[in-house]
Formats: sequence, C-alpha cells, structure tokens
Amino acid sequence: EPEVTQTPSHQVTQMGQEVILRCVPISNHLYFYWYRQILGQKVEFLVSFYNNEISEKSEIFDDQFSVERPDGSNFTLKIRSTKLEDSAMYFCASREGQGATGELFFGEGSRLTVL
Amino acid sequence: AQKITQTQPGMFVQEKEAVTLDCTYDTSDPSYGLFWYKQPSSGEMIFLIYQGSYDQQNATEGRYSLNFQKARKSANLVISASQLGDSAMYFCAMRENSGYSTLTFGKGTMLLVSP
Repeated sequence: EPEVTQTPSHQVTQMGQEVILRCVPISNHLYFYWYRQILGQKVEFLVSFYNNEISEKSEIFDDQFSVERPDGSNFTLKIRSTKLEDSAMYFCASREGQGATGELFFGEGSRLTVL
Repeated sequence: AQKITQTQPGMFVQEKEAVTLDCTYDTSDPSYGLFWYKQPSSGEMIFLIYQGSYDQQNATEGRYSLNFQKARKSANLVISASQLGDSAMYFCAMRENSGYSTLTFGKGTMLLVSP
C-alpha cells in the first residue's frame, strides 16, 4: 500500500540551527501538508501546498518556516533558526484531490528536539 | 470558537466492551467531512473512518462506526469489542469544503482498554 514517508524519524538540534524535515508524499497526490504536534497537545495545521506554491498557512507558520518541493517527489519543511518551542512532532500529509471528501494520508512523523 | 470539541480527555473501557468517543463540530459550510484518527504511543497518525456531510448513512469500518447526528453537529466514534491494542489517543477532525480544505483537529481523547 502506498504511504507517506518522512525522514528523519528523530532529530536533535541546538537552538538557532537550521533544520530540514523531509517527506515523500504518495506519488499521485496533489495536495501536501505539514502539521505539528507539541508533546501532549493537539495536532496543529502549519501549511498546505498545491501546484508548487503555498495555498494556505496558519499563524504558526511564520518567516522562520519555509516549504519546498525541490524535485517533484520530496516535500520539505525548513526551520531557519530553531527555537526551544519548535520541539514537536512534525507530520507530513498528502491527499489526492480537493474538497471535503477523501482521506488525508499521514507520514509517521519526525520528532524534533531543540536543546 | 473551537471548530472541533472533544469533551472527554480520557476514557476507560474493559476489553470486549464497546466505547463511544464524543466529538462535536462547528461549521457554517454545508459541505464538510469528518474524520477520526488514532495515535498510538509510537506517534503515528492512523486514519480510522470518514463521514461526509451529505452521506445518508453512518460510516462503518470494521469495529469502528461513526454516529453522525447532523442536526446536533456531532460525530461520535463507536468502537465495538474493544481490544488492548485500541489503547491510544483518538482525534476527531473536520475538513470544510471551502478554501484548500485544511484539516482541523480536536484536542483528542485518550482511550485506555483494560483486560
């Protein structure tokens, strides 16, 4: 069964360092998302991406964050200068089409720990 | 205002019993989708079941069923014949048809299944 894959599964970094989280969405999917979940809290939307551009972003997704689809298969989330509060599980997700119907497929998550 | 409300921070159930996890939602969009995801302690998000706002029948997937009461704006998840492996965090989520259809999550309910 096709799946969304994420790397790394866990990254530890020092405050102020740049981090890139990578995702390979399901191949025929067109809509891509990043969500994050701070430990013990709910899953929060960060950004959605369609047709090689950001389609929607939350207030969490500030100038420190950026997304890119560099090569047609990878979908990356970059955090320019990490802060302690960026420590969270980051989930990539993808889906086939627009509209309310249709499953959103999640990756297994990348746990980011900022020291 | 919260778009998705899960009022039960935690629920206990005995193995083989049925359990209902509550979810209410708030939207003015006539077209929307409701989702339930399971998050075990390992952290991944596992899709369980989907209900569309125009679906006439309640969704069912194996031991999972969704008790959809549109007038009350509730979408409770019913797990029949609970198993020890059902112990996990359960998130209700909604996607509205407007915009690029971001998925909004509730705060989750922790389900513990005892032998």
